[in-house]
Amino acid sequence: EDQVTQSPEALRLQEGESSSLNCSYTVSGLRGLFWYRQDPGKGPEFLFTLYSAGEEKEKERLKATLTKKESFLHITAPKPEDSATYLCAVQAGSEKLVFGKGTKLTVNP
Amino acid sequence: GAVVSQHPSRVICKSGTSVKIECRSLDFQATTMFWYRQFPKQSLMLMATSNEGSKATYEQGVEKDKFLINHASLTLSTLTVTSAHPEDSSFYICSARPGAASYEQYFGPGTRLTVT
Repeated sequence: EDQVTQSPEALRLQEGESSSLNCSYTVSGLRGLFWYRQDPGKGPEFLFTLYSAGEEKEKERLKATLTKKESFLHITAPKPEDSATYLCAVQAGSEKLVFGKGTKLTVNP
Repeated sequence: GAVVSQHPSRVICKSGTSVKIECRSLDFQATTMFWYRQFPKQSLMLMATSNEGSKATYEQGVEKDKFLINHASLTLSTLTVTSAHPEDSSFYICSARPGAASYEQYFGPGTRLTVT
């Protein structure tokens, strides 16, 4: 069974304090790993897709990396507006995405 | 690009009535749309997958006669919650996939359903 585990469940950072979120996965035949950002009361916002180990993608203060077993979302010098829940999802053989439970990030000014 | 809308954003209905939620892909054609449910402080739970012109595929434990899904066009899918009960109160989110060549799903803003 495909599984996605995100850690930590919650993370509090000071503004400017860089850190990383982890997404470990167990799937057979990874087609893609996705990162989303979700603000309270809203739908997830697409951030990145990673397809193969070694791939990296960046967007502003965010950088996503992928290995054969996990993905990291690195946040460099975060700002309060980066506060959100970050969701990781994988797609294997079917059309379905399997989501992790998310990491709730709080960035204090 | 890749914008998905949902209507309504919030709805309150009485127990026993039916509610329809619309999901539209605004700037792309979606061969596949998905419906999710999200409980407070939990991740998304897939309810069903729908392909344009075909019957929806429901996840185990989701009642297809209660949650009616129609995907009549490449830009519109609807979810109808029939004979709603308070336990159906939740946050419903749809997503759309642009095509077979793309694996990304783009999500709508969600619909908060409250059944009184």
